[in-house]
Amino acid sequence: TQLLKQSPQFLSIQEGENLTVYCNSSSVFSSLQWYRQEPGEGPVLLVTVVTGGEVKKLKRLTFQFGDARKDSSLHITAAQPGDTGLYLCAGENQAGTALIFGKGTTLSVSS
Amino acid sequence: ETGVTQTPRHLVMGMTNKKSLKCEQHLGHNAMYWYKQSAKKPLELMFVYNFKEQTENNSVPSRFSPECPNSSHLFLHLHTLQPEDSALYLCASSQLSVGTGELFFGEGSRLTVL
Repeated sequence: TQLLKQSPQFLSIQEGENLTVYCNSSSVFSSLQWYRQEPGEGPVLLVTVVTGGEVKKLKRLTFQFGDARKDSSLHITAAQPGDTGLYLCAGENQAGTALIFGKGTTLSVSS
Repeated sequence: ETGVTQTPRHLVMGMTNKKSLKCEQHLGHNAMYWYKQSAKKPLELMFVYNFKEQTENNSVPSRFSPECPNSSHLFLHLHTLQPEDSALYLCASSQLSVGTGELFFGEGSRLTVL
């Protein structure tokens, strides 16, 4: 069974701090996606990483795909209250028909 | 309207009721999905439709019955639900049913079963 394990489950920090959240699996994924979900809304795609070792940057967010394509990380520099939300990683299921998701990391950034 | 629209946003029903959730996408996509989001659990894939044809049923109980009359509309018919079915039901669409494609989600229908 494919599983995506995300850690930490909850993270509460002050504005301006840096943080890293992780997405790990024992399975190899052809790609991984990161979504952010804000309260009362559906998840929204942040980035897709495809190549092992790939690093992508989206303003203050840095995403990395592990060399073996089994894990990924999201680093946020100088977090802001607007970064608050549920961060989900997702990968293709074995049938190749849909995405499976991790449980997510709930991030709270206070000013 | 743009994106993916879900109605109703909130629904409270008894275990003997019959209700339906509706999803409409205005993106011209060909694949539509139902996901269930419960507390402390990952998003659970329920159903996948490609070009109106169901391509995946992820062992969902028969009290959940999907319907996809065309590529733009997706329904989830609910009957004889259990309290543990209370959750946020998310509809999503994508250009094609492929893993690297971006999923566009609606805002969800929050279901409470009494």
